[in-house]
Amino acid sequence: NAGVMQNPRHLVRRRGQEARLRCSPMKGHSHVYWYRQLPEEGLKFMVYLQKENIIDESGMPKERFSAEFPKEGPSILRIQQVVRGDSAAYFCASSEGTEGSQHFGDGTRLSIL
Amino acid sequence: GQQLNQSPQSMFIQEGEDVSMNCTSSSIFNTWLWYKQDPGEGPVLLIALYKAGELTSNGRLTAQFGITRKDSFLNISASIPSDVGIYFCAGLSNSGYALNFGKGTSLLVTP
Repeated sequence: NAGVMQNPRHLVRRRGQEARLRCSPMKGHSHVYWYRQLPEEGLKFMVYLQKENIIDESGMPKERFSAEFPKEGPSILRIQQVVRGDSAAYFCASSEGTEGSQHFGDGTRLSIL
Repeated sequence: GQQLNQSPQSMFIQEGEDVSMNCTSSSIFNTWLWYKQDPGEGPVLLIALYKAGELTSNGRLTAQFGITRKDSFLNISASIPSDVGIYFCAGLSNSGYALNFGKGTSLLVTP
């Protein structure tokens, strides 16, 4: 499968726990983007990363949220001490360059109990 | 991010009809993209537009990049049941990488 791979597809956490969402970009893509989607809404940009660098995290809450894209392995979006308002679908996209079109994974649906 | 307004919010049509939806913005974009999202899945890129005035087709889909760079439309000809889904427009922001999405047009097609 040459597409963007996200896992898990569904994640359930209790308030106060940590959530770790993983994204493997398409082969040959070195640019990764994370978006959040609330029900009946469009996607909202969170963060843009290249290998080992965060380029723009202006859409990501300053507390509890962090993202990384290590030299080896998938990109990780980490949410610490989750709250009910974090419940959403989180999508990862990748592109070959910034000029290229972004291709999305099937998302991780995070539910907070 | 910049606000994108999509209309209509939803459409309910019969198989074989043509469909038109549009997207407007108060800001200029250099790239417009149209995506389709099925329930439980991620958005799938349908058409990308890179130049003002550009008209691009992909099978039964046609999209245009408005000359003012503040709008775009998507047409679907001879709709079929598998066209059902939510269609999103997205504009590439001045940063060159963050996509600004509309709220989507939900399309229902009856056989």
